[in-house]
Amino acid sequence: DAGVIQSPRHEVTEMGQEVTLRCKPISGHDYLFWYRQTMMRGLELLIYFNNNVPIDDSGMPEDRFSAKMPNASFSTLKIQPSEPRDSAVYFCASSLSGGLQETQYFGPGTRLLVL
Amino acid sequence: AQSVTQPDIHITVSEGASLELRCNYSYGATPYLFWYVQSPGQGLQLLLKYFSGDTLVQGIKGFEAEFKRSQSSFNLRKPSVHWSDAAEYFCAVGSGTYKYIFGTGTRLKVLA
Repeated sequence: DAGVIQSPRHEVTEMGQEVTLRCKPISGHDYLFWYRQTMMRGLELLIYFNNNVPIDDSGMPEDRFSAKMPNASFSTLKIQPSEPRDSAVYFCASSLSGGLQETQYFGPGTRLLVL
Repeated sequence: AQSVTQPDIHITVSEGASLELRCNYSYGATPYLFWYVQSPGQGLQLLLKYFSGDTLVQGIKGFEAEFKRSQSSFNLRKPSVHWSDAAEYFCAVGSGTYKYIFGTGTRLKVLA
């Protein structure tokens, strides 16, 4: 199994530009999670999906952030317009089913730098 | 409010020495507790988890953790550290149905 795949691994962009992060979950996993990791706030859950439907987006910081899951094998996290404070590592994770007893498998992350 | 505290930001140990990473949590109900490891440039990997039952939990890579309700702690241990254990370690508590609350992490350095 290839695990959770994220692209790009690194992204450098200028303030005001649109940024799109991509994630392919493990095949057969029904849940997908987007996290953000910063030095100041640590790891935070932004949003999660169940069967491609967003369930809880209370962690999305503001309207500049949006996430979609058009099918079971692909999700995007978009920031428009980007700001320097969005610089962070963004992780995607997936799990076989719901509940905390299910292990969440994390991708390698996308390191975003907004200049 | 639920929270997780990892009081040690950095820990340095010599290879072959024992290791204990501290984790304290605040949670009203019986917690679901986790330890994850993050190697440089990698995502998080689950080491072990506790839901109920035996308070001493065995994980991968020779790690174990002990749940102590009276101390609200879930410390991670390893009897003999290997150089490949150098990484950042995160303790987390399960909140609600799907949400993890992560600690700020402890970065482990291993001296040869």
